[in-house]
Order: sequence, then C-alpha cells, then structure tokens
Amino acid sequence: DTAVSQTPKYLVTQMGNDKSIKCEQNLGHDTMYWYKQDSKKFLKIMFSYNNKELIINETVPNRFSPKSPDKAHLNLHINSLELGDSAVYFCASSRFRTANTEAFFGQGTRLTVV
Amino acid sequence: EDKVVQSPLSLVVHEGDTVTLNCSYEVTNFRSLLWYKQEKKAPTFLFMLTSSGIEKKSGRLSSILDKKELFSILNITATQTGDSAIYLCAVVPLDNYGQNFVFGPGTRLSVLP
Repeated sequence: DTAVSQTPKYLVTQMGNDKSIKCEQNLGHDTMYWYKQDSKKFLKIMFSYNNKELIINETVPNRFSPKSPDKAHLNLHINSLELGDSAVYFCASSRFRTANTEAFFGQGTRLTVV
Repeated sequence: EDKVVQSPLSLVVHEGDTVTLNCSYEVTNFRSLLWYKQEKKAPTFLFMLTSSGIEKKSGRLSSILDKKELFSILNITATQTGDSAIYLCAVVPLDNYGQNFVFGPGTRLSVLP
C-alpha cells in the first residue's frame, strides 16, 4: 500500500535514448511534483502539477516533458538522454496549497545514462 | 529567489552525543518550514513548523522556528547509529501559483558506535 510509487527504481540507458518514469499516488492529493536529486544530494524541483494542470516549470531542458493523465498520476518522459541527466528522480505529492501540508515522496528512480 | 542554507553540511559524532542542525532561509512569503530525514531512499517527514517559538518534539528529536531571524534548528539528543542520514530542511513559500518545497543542501550526519 505504497502512498507514492514510482517505476522503475533503477534505469540504465544509453545516451540519446528516450525513457519514461511513472508515478502514482493513492493519497487523494491534488498536487504532484518531480524533483531531481544530484550527486551532491541537492533536491531541486522540476515540475509541479495541480489537478492535471502544470503549475511550476523550473528551468528544465525541454527534453523533459511531464504528463498528468489524471490527478493521481504524473509521468516524466525524457528525450535524447544525456550523461548529465544521471541523477535520482523523486516524485512527490501533497494536498493543495490552501492547506499547510508536507510532501510525500516516492522511493526514487536512479537514472544512469552511459 | 527563495533560498535555504543548511549548516553544517557534514557532521560526524559518536553515539550518545547531542547534535544541532541549522537551517536559515530567505523566502518572499513564508508559509511553513519542514524537516525531512533521508536515509537510503525517499525523504521521510519529521516536522512542520509554521509559528515562531513553538517547539515540536518527537522522541529524541525536536525542532523550533524563529521567523524573525529566519532560521530553524533541529536537535537530536542521545544520538544512535540509526540517526545516520541526510537531514533536509525545506521552506514552502506562499505565492499565487502553487505550492513548492524549496530544499536546502542537507546535513549529512554520521553517528559512529
């Protein structure tokens, strides 16, 4: 009964490939996020969606495209993977901004581009 | 730009020691400050602080916020090896667009037996 689940946990792929990471939350939250954690463990937001609508889009290459088919899912598609994309990607969810709330994180997807 | 700074970045102590982790922030409109513990995988929530001077406590961990001086501390007493982790501080700005959790770089705590 994982609250925020993302797949796959590990992803090793070659430069230039296209890959997707899936995320689902069963907490009934309205807002979902993608964060990137680099080798120095710095967690940086990439995207935020509220009820399938893009709210935050930080300075991320347009090779990264989030897709939210419904408010319980937020997938991340990455085109033309580069070595610098290697990192751990975390999906998270929270209640809408009207409530003081914490973010719940998935277990992370460790992406290695070779 | 909203910013969170944590210190120290790394800390090594022995079991039984008490540690204090620091988090300072600059944010346009402050809503809340959160502490997370990250072991091998997902960050797990510890505390949410919204008001100054009110201590939140859970077992050997406690935290307090100073909104005037823009900082928070996380105390861990009688540390155990299981406390070894990265401790992340995040602030939530209040804006018109949505909710964002702005994280600091984390403090890597190592507790030696």
